[in-house]
Amino acid sequence: QQPVQSPQAVILREGEDAVINCSSSKALYSVHWYRQKHGEAPIFLMILLKGGEQKGHDKISASFNEKKQQSSLYLTASQLSYSGTYFCGTLETGANNLFFGTGTRLTVIP
Amino acid sequence: GAGVSQSPSNKVTEKGKDVELRCDPISGHTALYWYRQRLGQGLEFLIYFQGNSAPDKSGLPSDRFSAERTGESVSTLTIQRTQQEDSAVYLCASSLGTSGPIFVRYFGPGTRLTVL
Repeated sequence: QQPVQSPQAVILREGEDAVINCSSSKALYSVHWYRQKHGEAPIFLMILLKGGEQKGHDKISASFNEKKQQSSLYLTASQLSYSGTYFCGTLETGANNLFFGTGTRLTVIP
Repeated sequence: GAGVSQSPSNKVTEKGKDVELRCDPISGHTALYWYRQRLGQGLEFLIYFQGNSAPDKSGLPSDRFSAERTGESVSTLTIQRTQQEDSAVYLCASSLGTSGPIFVRYFGPGTRLTVL
C-alpha cells in the first residue's frame, strides 16, 4: 500500500533542478504531494487526479501517469525555501485512505 | 477559522504509563486522521474517522492503541502501557471529505511523545 519514493535524499545548489519520483504497485485514483520542514507539520502542495494531468505551482510542478501508477514532482530553479522533506500520498482506486511514501529529503544550499 | 490544533505539544512519560493525545480538527471537516512519524521516517497511518461511519483502525500497531472521536469534533488517541518504541511525533490531520480535492489533508503541529 505504501508508495515508494526516490531518491531518498538530494542536495542541490540554489537554481538547480530536481525530480522526485513516487510509484505504486496499485491502481491509483489520485496522488498528493506534501512538504514538511524540520519540526513542522506537512503542508499540502498539490493534488493530481486520475487523467494523467500535470499541475504547476510557481516553479514546482508535478505529473501523474496513472497507467504506470507513477507521479513525479519537478522543482525548477530551486530556492533555499524549497528545503524540506517531500512526501507523496497515494489514493488507490476504490479506496478512501491515503498512504504516504517514506519521503525525500531535499536540501538546497547557497 | 483556525487550523488543526493538537495538545500537548510535547509529552514525556515513563514506560508503562498511559497517555492521551488530543486533536481539534478544522471546524466543518468530517474526516480526521492520526499518523505516527518516527524520527527521520515517513508518515505511518494509524486510524481514520469519517462522519458517523465506523473508524478505519487498520493502521493501529497493537491493542494498546485506541482512538475516539466525538461526533465531527475532537479526537483523542490513547496509548496504554507505553513502550519506548512508541516514542514518535503523532500527527493529526483533517479534511472536508474523502474524495477529490476536498480530500486534502490539513495537518496539526503534532505531539512529540518521548517514552523513557
